[in-house]
Amino acid sequence: EAGVTQSPTHLIKTRGQQATLRCSPISGHTSVYWYQQALGLGLQFLLWYDEGEERNRGNFPPRFSGRQFPNYSSELNVNALELEDSALYLCASSVRQGANSPLHFGNGTRLTVT
Amino acid sequence: SQQGEEDPQALSIQEGENATMNCSYKTSINNLQWYRQNSGRGLVHLILIRSNEREKHSGRLRVTLDTSKKSSSLLITASRAADTASYFCATPTNNNDMRFGAGTRLTVKP
Repeated sequence: EAGVTQSPTHLIKTRGQQATLRCSPISGHTSVYWYQQALGLGLQFLLWYDEGEERNRGNFPPRFSGRQFPNYSSELNVNALELEDSALYLCASSVRQGANSPLHFGNGTRLTVT
Repeated sequence: SQQGEEDPQALSIQEGENATMNCSYKTSINNLQWYRQNSGRGLVHLILIRSNEREKHSGRLRVTLDTSKKSSSLLITASRAADTASYFCATPTNNNDMRFGAGTRLTVKP
């Protein structure tokens, strides 16, 4: 079974630009979560999608947005990039809606904003 | 906002010793999960313990849950250098998404 895949692996942008990060969940998983992990820190919850709907979002400004496609893959968009957006962005999927199933993580996209 | 807090922030032990990490959380939960992260990579799920369970084992891992104290512990027995990683606890929120603590960075010296 293929795991969660994220692309690109690395992304370098300049301040003010826009970044698009992509995630393909494990086949059969309908829930997709996005987390931000700044260097050496814990995971900050960004967004949760299930069955194409946004179910919840964390304490991030509106320039962080995303969507989930009919095939359950997901996209995270970050507009008007700021230096502090530099982080590892992790996507995870689970087989069922909600928090009663383990999350399966991809290896992340390392975003660097210069 | 984070839901769980791990303690200690960092732990350094010798190979063969046991490692214990603790997690405290704030709200009522129906399960608690532990994850491991090797440097710069995605997290790997280790174990899920439900609120009606007090202890769970998986290989060299032992997890306890005390819902009255809103705390959990992860014990790794007979540690190996390959256990070097960061360990996170995660708990569901009232909205049913998962929130992670800041993690414990474990270093096992050969």
